[in-house]
Amino acid sequence: AQRVTQPEKLLSVFKGAPVELKCNYSYSGSPELFWYVQYSRQRLQLLLRHISRESIKGFTADLNKGETSFHLKKPFAQEEDSAMYYCAPNPDSNYQLIWGAGTKLIIKP
Amino acid sequence: SQTIHQWPATLVQPVGSPLSLECTVEGTSNPNLYWYRQAAGRGLQLLFYSVGIGQISSEVPQNLSASRPQDRQFILSSKKLLLSDSGFYLCAWSPDGFNEKLFFGSGTQLSVL
Repeated sequence: AQRVTQPEKLLSVFKGAPVELKCNYSYSGSPELFWYVQYSRQRLQLLLRHISRESIKGFTADLNKGETSFHLKKPFAQEEDSAMYYCAPNPDSNYQLIWGAGTKLIIKP
Repeated sequence: SQTIHQWPATLVQPVGSPLSLECTVEGTSNPNLYWYRQAAGRGLQLLFYSVGIGQISSEVPQNLSASRPQDRQFILSSKKLLLSDSGFYLCAWSPDGFNEKLFFGSGTQLSVL
């Protein structure tokens, strides 16, 4: 079955430290991959998508087909990065994203 | 600009009662519309999506139904709520097509007692 895993439910790092939120998926091919974020008292929103190969708020995500991973990284964490992060691949290029369970990121001052 | 409205924000309903959650989108036409359920500690589960008026696709069998009576209106319903229907429901829209960015509503916390 198609599955996406975010192994860390909670990740806590100090401000200024590097951050890596892990995402692994269980299917082959070239899925379109998304990271969504939900800040406190805000709506769930798109952070970045693989196809755009962009950096948003200092975050980047690289697709590793060999490891079937799409980890989200930021070299220097900021307090405003504290949020819930969801990895969501679209393996079949249809309307259904497969959502990870999410990782709660806490940036300590 | 486009906006999405979802209401109510919270709802407490007795078991066996009907349900109607409404979602409307403004500022765009022919959007794809979605109903998701978000369980604590788990990812989002797609319940229904719609690519046009009267076109509803169901992803999981359940006690719920969805309707799209107008281009920018999406309704989640139930004739008789179950305890297991409790949860956080999110409406979302995306531009027409696949792999498009999703825009989410603010959600409805439904408690069935």
